[in-house]
Amino acid sequence: NAGVMQNPRHLVRRRGQEARLRCSPMKGHSHVYWYRQLPEEGLKFMVYLQKENIIDESGMPKERFSAEFPKEGPSILRIQQVVRGDSAAYFCASSAQVKETQYFGPGTRLLVL
Amino acid sequence: RKEVEQDPGPFNVPEGATVAFNCTYSNSASQSFFWYRQDCRKEPKLLMSVYSSGNEDGRFTAQLNRASQYISLLIRDSKLSDSATYLCVVLNQAGTALIFGKGTTLSVSS
Repeated sequence: NAGVMQNPRHLVRRRGQEARLRCSPMKGHSHVYWYRQLPEEGLKFMVYLQKENIIDESGMPKERFSAEFPKEGPSILRIQQVVRGDSAAYFCASSAQVKETQYFGPGTRLLVL
Repeated sequence: RKEVEQDPGPFNVPEGATVAFNCTYSNSASQSFFWYRQDCRKEPKLLMSVYSSGNEDGRFTAQLNRASQYISLLIRDSKLSDSATYLCVVLNQAGTALIFGKGTTLSVSS
């Protein structure tokens, strides 16, 4: 039973480029959550999505960041015009139902040069 | 006041020691609580949920004090493999987001 999958595992971008991070939830899970961990910081919630719907985006920066979870395919976290401060580990989690245990993927390490 | 606060440590203990971690949370309406473990900035993994009556899983015991808004984790007979960062986590009221403390680092030495 495959767990939560994320790719790429490592991503290097130059300032001003776009970063696309992908997350495939565990089989049978339709709830996806994105978290960010800045260097030397704790994990911070960004956004919660169900299939085709954003349910809670209270943790998303107002500009440059967007997320989607289409009917088919993985969830995508998109960061436009990246800046050095976007360098972080981005973790995706999934659950079978809201309020049930969230299982985390291995994360994507984004480095902005 | 931060939503979830933990002593960052580090806690350096010998094998076989008993160690306790504490955590406080700010939202008295919170309903669900967890301890996660994170190794070397890898993904967090659920260690155990925390229930009002307290619960135990092998060498690990978790306690919740709702009146004091306080959560604890006790590790008995520490192993080298217990070395990690322990994250105190609270589910927000809507159930849509986990709120993480910054973590407490444990280092167990032989």
